[in-house]
Amino acid sequence: QAVVTQEPSLTVSPGGTVTLTCASSTGPVTRGNYPNWFQQKPGQAPRALISSTSNTHSWTPARFSGSLLGGKAALTLSGVQPEDEAVYYCLLYFAPTQGVFGGGTKLTVL
Amino acid sequence: EVQLVQSGAEVKKPGESLKISCKAFGYDFTTSWIGWVRQMPGKGLEWMGIIYPIDSDTRYSPSFEGQVTISADKSITTAYLQWSSLRASDTATYYCARQILYGALYGMDVWGQGTTVTVSS
Repeated sequence: QAVVTQEPSLTVSPGGTVTLTCASSTGPVTRGNYPNWFQQKPGQAPRALISSTSNTHSWTPARFSGSLLGGKAALTLSGVQPEDEAVYYCLLYFAPTQGVFGGGTKLTVL
Repeated sequence: EVQLVQSGAEVKKPGESLKISCKAFGYDFTTSWIGWVRQMPGKGLEWMGIIYPIDSDTRYSPSFEGQVTISADKSITTAYLQWSSLRASDTATYYCARQILYGALYGMDVWGQGTTVTVSS
């Protein structure tokens, strides 16, 4: 089974920009992996932010965007707010119906 | 409003069986898959498997094949996750999520609130 790797932790200043990445052990991440991004705050269920590489949901704040960058999936937060402090997970698909989550990135806003 | 509402927390002993549920509201239950995700205490998310309620087509992650059973009853718009013999290592929070397998929304968009399962003697 593929292994999906994310940065364990990142720190960003309020108002700053940060990019989180998501890599696959099987090779470059492509649109065919349908990268998804989720935000999870302590004690809460995960919340979907991005589907299928770069599509936002109706509830996704405009400061969140998804892309492919250097063979990885990427989540960029522009104009970071204190409430963005959370753990962020990516999810990749390796067959039409097999998903694998990354280990999560703990984002600190400091 | 699209919602997934899960059953309440469970405390069980090793060897006992368990079935937890996830009821869907606000959309056509038969047009999307439903998935289950495990989160062990203090750990990350793990994709367990998915089911298509209209015909109960089920796909498991290799890590969970044979360990759990995913099922659904489309007449009551409810999906289930069950164990025949629990182990302490099954202690976790389990989430259900709507799984879309087409187009721009490909992924898990709407999540249940989670069901905490504690297995302890």
